[in-house]
Amino acid sequence: AQSVTQLGSHVSVSEGALVLLRCNYSSSVPPYLFWYVQYPNQGLQLLLKYTSAATLVKGINGFEAEFKKSETSFHLTKPSAHMSDAAEYFCAVTPGGTSYGKLTFGQGTILTVHP
Amino acid sequence: DVKVTQSSRYLVKRTGEKVFLECVQDMDHENMFWYRQDPGLGLRLIYFSYDVKMKEKGDIPEGYSVSREKKERFSLILESASTNQTSMYLCASTSNTGELFFGEGSRLTVL
Repeated sequence: AQSVTQLGSHVSVSEGALVLLRCNYSSSVPPYLFWYVQYPNQGLQLLLKYTSAATLVKGINGFEAEFKKSETSFHLTKPSAHMSDAAEYFCAVTPGGTSYGKLTFGQGTILTVHP
Repeated sequence: DVKVTQSSRYLVKRTGEKVFLECVQDMDHENMFWYRQDPGLGLRLIYFSYDVKMKEKGDIPEGYSVSREKKERFSLILESASTNQTSMYLCASTSNTGELFFGEGSRLTVL
């Protein structure tokens, strides 16, 4: 079984500041990990994914995440926030293989960006 | 441009009504999923399907059923809607790349 915990349901940053969204997971097998973003009134869009290759994963819109097995973490970062980054972000885990798509999601973190 | 289309963006139904939520994908994906999204709970898997006429229960299947008669279409059915089924419903598909493609969601209100 797997689970995901996102620390902080709301995160607020100033434009230009560092964005850090935290995600911790538990999984009984080596996991595949994902970050998705949801803009208002839209479905979810993939930001980036970790599938057991490089531990530092780069995604779209300047986001990246680092897989740390010892800390069971997959935190999402962006060096400089932009107003257009305001959205809800979801971390998700799956054991992969034939379970593709059978993701377990965290509860989501709403990112607010102030001018 | 790849697409997952959910037929209804907003629905209002009465308690006890039968509700159909339709989802169509144009990517020839084998795998399709129905998730429910509630504030503070994230997304929870209701049902999924890896092939035509095949279905498997997810984490919260109670009160729901599904139908997959064609590869591109996956329907979610609420046999007798209840107020606790008021929610956002998201359909998704994948072809074993690990990336889920989502529709824009169907927001259901049950009165």
